[in-house]
Amino acid sequence: GQQLNQSPQSMFIQEGEDVSMNCTSSSIFNTWLWYKQDPGEGPVLLIALYKAGELTSNGRLTAQFGITRKDSFLNISASIPSDVGIYFCAGSTSGTYKYIFGTGTRLKVLA
Amino acid sequence: GAVVSQHPSWVICKSGTSVKIECRSLDFQATTMFWYRQFPKQSLMLMATSNEGSKATYEQGVEKDKFLINHASLTLSTLTVTSAHPEDSSFYICSASPGTSGTDTQYFGPGTRLTVL
Repeated sequence: GQQLNQSPQSMFIQEGEDVSMNCTSSSIFNTWLWYKQDPGEGPVLLIALYKAGELTSNGRLTAQFGITRKDSFLNISASIPSDVGIYFCAGSTSGTYKYIFGTGTRLKVLA
Repeated sequence: GAVVSQHPSWVICKSGTSVKIECRSLDFQATTMFWYRQFPKQSLMLMATSNEGSKATYEQGVEKDKFLINHASLTLSTLTVTSAHPEDSSFYICSASPGTSGTDTQYFGPGTRLTVL
């Protein structure tokens, strides 16, 4: 199935550092979602974006819907150990009810 | 709000048997539910879209006769893996959407780990 390109694939950072990851597509999307998945569990919704250019925050997390509607970014400020996990982006095109998921970014935080 | 449950959380079965996985939206009505499969260290791959009261729509390459989906009510969808084989071993995750628009967010269940011996 189709997937979105997500980068980086993995990151090792020090506690307290900021993190940036992005998701790109060759298709235009109308909605972008960002999820976090812990091992052995289902993804948990972090942020939803519905409009090009939209910038939305959820605590230390900030995500943006790219102007071209082909990309999205997620930033995590002042990382903490519990930020460890896999972050997925997901995009939906107009007229469909389904989302395409990114390849994931594995985040590891070193205390 | 927006809680989705799955049952069982894990199951081990013998090759050739069938396994049913339930997905329930606990505090909202889900017009649409989705079934995903996730192999280790990989992303989520959509298997099928389930709409209440109608037949499921399967993604290309997913055998509808092997993965039976039933969405009998607005709060329950079931996935039955028929004649399971070891290659069907995977993490199966459902999600539920309260609306019918492509902009509606999806809320995921905790997943079901299936191991076929």
